[in-house]
Amino acid sequence: GAVVSQHPSRVICKSGTSVKIECRSLDFQATTMFWYRQFPKKSLMLMATSNEGSKATYEQGVEKDKFLINHASLTLSTLTVTSAHPEDSSFYICSARTGGEDQPQHFGDGTRLSIL
Amino acid sequence: EDQVTQSPEALRLQEGESSSLNCSYTVSGLRGLFWYRQDPGKGPEFLFTLYSAGEEKEKERLKATLTKKESFLHITAPKPEDSATYLCAVRARAGGTSYGKLTFGQGTILTVHP
Repeated sequence: GAVVSQHPSRVICKSGTSVKIECRSLDFQATTMFWYRQFPKKSLMLMATSNEGSKATYEQGVEKDKFLINHASLTLSTLTVTSAHPEDSSFYICSARTGGEDQPQHFGDGTRLSIL
Repeated sequence: EDQVTQSPEALRLQEGESSSLNCSYTVSGLRGLFWYRQDPGKGPEFLFTLYSAGEEKEKERLKATLTKKESFLHITAPKPEDSATYLCAVRARAGGTSYGKLTFGQGTILTVHP
């Protein structure tokens, strides 16, 4: 149980392109979803938190207009990297949680984004 | 500010050689401490949640314990397939600056040689 599916697993695109990443909770309803970024050999950096039907809460230093998050339903959240540039290349991981704050988050398998 | 420090950064073991990973934390009221395993190029896989000092959880060769300041992940007779990065994270109770968020440690890279 508690499976989170993330798609695509890898994207390579040209600078200036916008890229959409999908995150789905397959067997549970995710009251809260999270988006992280992970640099090589570093831990996870939280980018934003979103609740279904509400606007996402972004962490300090994360550009809202650059990283658009939509949490349209209890099983789907999307992250769109707008006008991507090489410095946006990274490993993006989504996470979902159901229930209260004491419940664990379950993670997708990540998306490797490479901007040429 | 909540902080999580994991040690060692990297650990090499021979197959069957038991050991422990450490997670020291500072949090303004612990709501939960979480252990994850992450394989290269994958997202973290949930292992355990611990809520209060003295609590222990076990799963196969892994056992997690919790005190008021740290958590240990004990690995008994490890196998090569246990090789991965092990991440520790804490979530604070309401009222803290990081309420609702997981604060992760840097992880311990475990390599088990056959």
